[in-house]
Amino acid sequence: GENVEQHPSTLSVQEGDSAVIKCTYSDSASNYFPWYKQELGKRPQLIIDIRSNVGEKKDQRIAVTLNKTAKHFSLHITETQPEDSAVYFCADSGNTGKLIFGQGTTLQVKP
Amino acid sequence: GAVVSQHPSRVICKSGTSVKIECRSLDFQATTMFWYRQFPKQSLMLMATSNEGSKATYEQGVEKDKFLINHASLTLSTLTVTSAHPEDSSFYICSVNRGLGEETQYFGPGTRLLVL
Repeated sequence: GENVEQHPSTLSVQEGDSAVIKCTYSDSASNYFPWYKQELGKRPQLIIDIRSNVGEKKDQRIAVTLNKTAKHFSLHITETQPEDSAVYFCADSGNTGKLIFGQGTTLQVKP
Repeated sequence: GAVVSQHPSRVICKSGTSVKIECRSLDFQATTMFWYRQFPKQSLMLMATSNEGSKATYEQGVEKDKFLINHASLTLSTLTVTSAHPEDSSFYICSVNRGLGEETQYFGPGTRLLVL
Protein backbone atom coordinates (compact mmCIF):
# COMPACT_ATOMS: atom_id res chain seq x y z
CA GLY A 1 0.00 0.00 0.00
CA GLU A 2 0.86 3.65 -0.04
CA ASN A 3 3.70 4.75 2.21
CA VAL A 4 4.66 8.25 3.29
CA GLU A 5 8.02 8.95 4.90
CA GLN A 6 8.53 12.21 6.75
CA HIS A 7 11.79 13.78 7.94
CA PRO A 8 13.06 15.00 10.28
CA SER A 9 11.15 13.68 13.28
CA THR A 10 12.21 16.69 15.34
CA LEU A 11 13.41 20.11 14.29
CA SER A 12 14.61 22.96 16.45
CA VAL A 13 15.20 26.43 15.00
CA GLN A 14 15.77 29.93 16.28
CA GLU A 15 13.00 32.42 15.94
CA GLY A 16 13.25 34.12 12.57
CA ASP A 17 15.00 31.22 10.88
CA SER A 18 13.43 29.00 8.25
CA ALA A 19 12.21 25.44 8.76
CA VAL A 20 11.93 22.76 6.10
CA ILE A 21 10.16 19.42 6.46
CA LYS A 22 10.30 16.81 3.72
CA CYS A 23 8.07 13.90 2.78
CA THR A 24 8.40 11.17 0.20
CA TYR A 25 5.61 9.02 -1.12
CA SER A 26 5.42 5.80 -3.07
CA ASP A 27 2.23 5.90 -5.16
CA SER A 28 2.81 7.65 -8.45
CA ALA A 29 -0.96 8.09 -8.80
CA SER A 30 -1.06 10.38 -5.74
CA ASN A 31 -2.34 13.82 -6.67
CA TYR A 32 -3.20 15.63 -3.45
CA PHE A 33 -0.73 16.55 -0.71
CA PRO A 34 -1.91 18.42 2.39
CA TRP A 35 0.05 19.59 5.39
CA TYR A 36 -1.49 19.70 8.85
CA LYS A 37 -0.39 21.41 12.04
CA GLN A 38 -1.36 19.82 15.32
CA GLU A 39 -0.92 21.46 18.69
CA LEU A 40 -0.83 19.32 21.80
CA GLY A 41 -4.19 17.71 22.51
CA LYS A 42 -5.91 19.44 19.62
CA ARG A 43 -7.18 18.55 16.20
CA PRO A 44 -4.97 18.67 13.10
CA GLN A 45 -5.46 21.92 11.23
CA LEU A 46 -4.92 22.16 7.49
CA ILE A 47 -2.28 24.80 6.82
CA ILE A 48 -1.60 24.34 3.13
CA ASP A 49 -2.11 21.79 0.40
CA ILE A 50 -0.94 21.24 -3.14
CA ARG A 51 -2.23 19.28 -6.07
CA SER A 52 -0.15 17.47 -8.58
CA ASN A 53 -0.73 19.93 -11.40
CA VAL A 54 1.45 22.58 -9.73
CA GLY A 55 4.98 22.53 -8.41
CA GLU A 56 4.77 25.17 -5.72
CA LYS A 57 2.20 26.98 -3.64
CA LYS A 58 2.71 29.79 -1.18
CA ASP A 59 0.60 31.33 1.55
CA GLN A 60 2.36 34.14 3.41
CA ARG A 61 5.18 32.52 5.44
CA ILE A 62 4.27 29.00 4.40
CA ALA A 63 5.08 27.31 1.11
CA VAL A 64 4.91 23.79 -0.24
CA THR A 65 6.93 22.42 -3.15
CA LEU A 66 6.21 19.23 -5.05
CA ASN A 67 8.55 17.16 -7.18
CA LYS A 68 6.44 14.48 -8.83
CA THR A 69 9.36 12.89 -10.62
CA ALA A 70 11.20 12.30 -7.39
CA LYS A 71 7.95 11.71 -5.45
CA HIS A 72 8.67 14.14 -2.70
CA PHE A 73 7.14 17.31 -1.34
CA SER A 74 8.33 19.77 1.26
CA LEU A 75 6.92 22.31 3.68
CA HIS A 76 8.82 25.57 4.06
CA ILE A 77 8.16 27.97 6.92
CA THR A 78 10.01 31.27 6.79
CA GLU A 79 10.53 33.81 9.56
CA THR A 80 9.50 31.26 12.16
CA GLN A 81 7.76 32.40 15.31
CA PRO A 82 7.31 30.64 18.68
CA GLU A 83 3.65 30.05 17.85
CA ASP A 84 4.76 27.90 14.92
CA SER A 85 5.91 25.32 17.46
CA ALA A 86 3.74 22.22 16.96
CA VAL A 87 3.71 18.83 15.30
CA TYR A 88 3.43 18.95 11.52
CA PHE A 89 2.09 16.08 9.44
CA CYS A 90 2.27 15.60 5.72
CA ALA A 91 -0.21 13.36 3.96
CA ASP A 92 -1.11 12.14 0.55
CA SER A 93 -4.25 10.72 -0.91
CA GLY A 94 -2.70 7.89 -2.91
CA ASN A 95 -5.06 6.68 -5.59
CA THR A 96 -7.92 6.01 -3.19
CA GLY A 97 -8.70 9.46 -1.81
CA LYS A 98 -7.94 8.27 1.71
CA LEU A 99 -5.25 10.27 3.46
CA ILE A 100 -2.12 8.46 4.52
CA PHE A 101 -0.10 10.47 7.02
CA GLY A 102 3.59 10.80 7.56
CA GLN A 103 5.12 10.12 10.94
CA GLY A 104 5.09 13.76 12.01
CA THR A 105 7.72 16.39 12.75
CA THR A 106 7.91 18.15 16.09
CA LEU A 107 8.98 21.71 15.40
CA GLN A 108 10.35 23.82 18.21
CA VAL A 109 10.96 27.49 17.60
CA LYS A 110 13.19 29.00 20.25
CA PRO A 111 12.62 32.66 21.13
CA GLY B 1 -13.45 25.20 5.81
CA ALA B 2 -15.92 22.97 7.53
CA VAL B 3 -17.26 22.74 11.05
CA VAL B 4 -16.95 19.31 12.60
CA SER B 5 -17.85 18.41 16.16
CA GLN B 6 -17.24 15.34 18.26
CA HIS B 7 -18.83 14.16 21.45
CA PRO B 8 -17.70 13.44 24.04
CA SER B 9 -14.37 15.26 24.16
CA ARG B 10 -13.04 12.81 26.71
CA VAL B 11 -14.31 9.68 28.35
CA ILE B 12 -13.08 7.33 31.03
CA CYS B 13 -14.59 3.89 31.20
CA LYS B 14 -14.04 0.53 32.81
CA SER B 15 -12.55 -2.37 30.93
CA GLY B 16 -15.22 -4.43 29.20
CA THR B 17 -17.69 -1.62 28.65
CA SER B 18 -18.65 -0.05 25.32
CA VAL B 19 -18.15 3.57 24.40
CA LYS B 20 -19.91 5.51 21.65
CA ILE B 21 -18.30 8.53 20.00
CA GLU B 22 -20.27 10.86 17.78
CA CYS B 23 -18.96 12.88 14.85
CA ARG B 24 -21.14 15.60 13.37
CA SER B 25 -20.74 17.71 10.27
CA LEU B 26 -22.40 20.96 11.25
CA ASP B 27 -22.43 23.01 8.08
CA PHE B 28 -22.77 20.57 5.20
CA GLN B 29 -23.93 17.08 4.43
CA ALA B 30 -21.15 14.53 4.40
CA THR B 31 -21.62 11.29 2.54
CA THR B 32 -18.19 10.18 3.71
CA MET B 33 -16.53 10.52 7.08
CA PHE B 34 -13.24 9.06 8.23
CA TRP B 35 -12.22 7.72 11.63
CA TYR B 36 -8.63 7.90 12.84
CA ARG B 37 -6.83 6.78 15.95
CA GLN B 38 -3.78 8.52 17.33
CA PHE B 39 -1.61 7.12 20.10
CA PRO B 40 0.59 9.51 22.12
CA LYS B 41 3.41 11.02 20.07
CA GLN B 42 2.40 9.05 17.01
CA SER B 43 0.79 9.81 13.71
CA LEU B 44 -2.84 9.51 12.70
CA MET B 45 -3.82 6.05 11.60
CA LEU B 46 -6.91 5.64 9.46
CA MET B 47 -9.25 3.10 10.97
CA ALA B 48 -12.21 3.15 8.63
CA THR B 49 -14.20 5.10 6.11
CA SER B 50 -17.79 5.71 7.09
CA ASN B 51 -20.26 5.77 4.21
CA GLU B 52 -23.75 7.15 4.63
CA GLY B 53 -26.35 4.48 4.08
CA SER B 54 -23.91 1.63 3.60
CA LYS B 55 -21.35 -0.40 5.48
CA ALA B 56 -18.13 1.17 6.62
CA THR B 57 -14.87 0.23 4.94
CA TYR B 58 -12.24 -0.85 7.44
CA GLU B 59 -8.48 -0.63 7.05
CA GLN B 60 -6.38 -3.73 7.29
CA GLY B 61 -5.89 -4.85 10.85
CA VAL B 62 -8.89 -2.97 12.26
CA GLU B 63 -11.52 -5.28 13.75
CA LYS B 64 -14.92 -4.33 12.42
CA ASP B 65 -16.72 -6.17 15.20
CA LYS B 66 -14.82 -4.24 17.82
CA PHE B 67 -15.09 -0.81 16.24
CA LEU B 68 -18.68 -0.48 15.09
CA ILE B 69 -19.40 2.40 12.75
CA ASN B 70 -22.82 3.71 11.90
CA HIS B 71 -23.44 6.53 9.42
CA ALA B 72 -27.18 6.81 9.58
CA SER B 73 -27.51 10.37 8.36
CA LEU B 74 -25.59 12.83 6.21
CA THR B 75 -24.42 14.75 9.27
CA LEU B 76 -23.71 12.07 11.83
CA SER B 77 -21.36 9.13 12.10
CA THR B 78 -20.81 7.14 15.28
CA LEU B 79 -17.93 4.95 16.35
CA THR B 80 -18.60 2.44 19.10
CA VAL B 81 -15.65 0.83 20.81
CA THR B 82 -17.07 -2.45 22.10
CA SER B 83 -15.69 -4.32 25.09
CA ALA B 84 -13.01 -1.71 25.54
CA HIS B 85 -9.65 -2.66 26.99
CA PRO B 86 -6.78 -0.51 28.25
CA GLU B 87 -4.95 -0.91 24.93
CA ASP B 88 -7.87 0.85 23.23
CA SER B 89 -7.03 4.01 25.15
CA SER B 90 -6.23 6.59 22.50
CA PHE B 91 -7.24 9.81 20.79
CA TYR B 92 -10.02 9.12 18.28
CA ILE B 93 -10.56 11.75 15.60
CA CYS B 94 -13.05 11.93 12.79
CA SER B 95 -12.79 13.93 9.60
CA VAL B 96 -15.09 14.88 6.78
CA ASN B 97 -14.72 16.21 3.29
CA ARG B 98 -17.21 17.99 1.15
CA GLY B 99 -17.19 15.33 -1.55
CA LEU B 100 -17.83 16.26 -5.16
CA GLY B 101 -14.18 15.69 -5.93
CA GLU B 102 -12.82 17.82 -3.11
CA GLU B 103 -10.05 16.03 -1.27
CA THR B 104 -9.60 18.38 1.68
CA GLN B 105 -10.41 16.75 5.00
CA TYR B 106 -11.53 18.72 8.02
CA PHE B 107 -11.02 17.20 11.42
CA GLY B 108 -13.18 17.08 14.49
CA PRO B 109 -11.72 18.08 17.86
CA GLY B 110 -11.10 14.47 18.84
CA THR B 111 -12.19 12.25 21.71
CA ARG B 112 -9.71 11.10 24.29
CA LEU B 113 -10.60 7.65 25.55
CA LEU B 114 -9.09 6.19 28.71
CA VAL B 115 -9.98 2.62 29.57
CA LEU B 116 -9.17 1.59 33.11
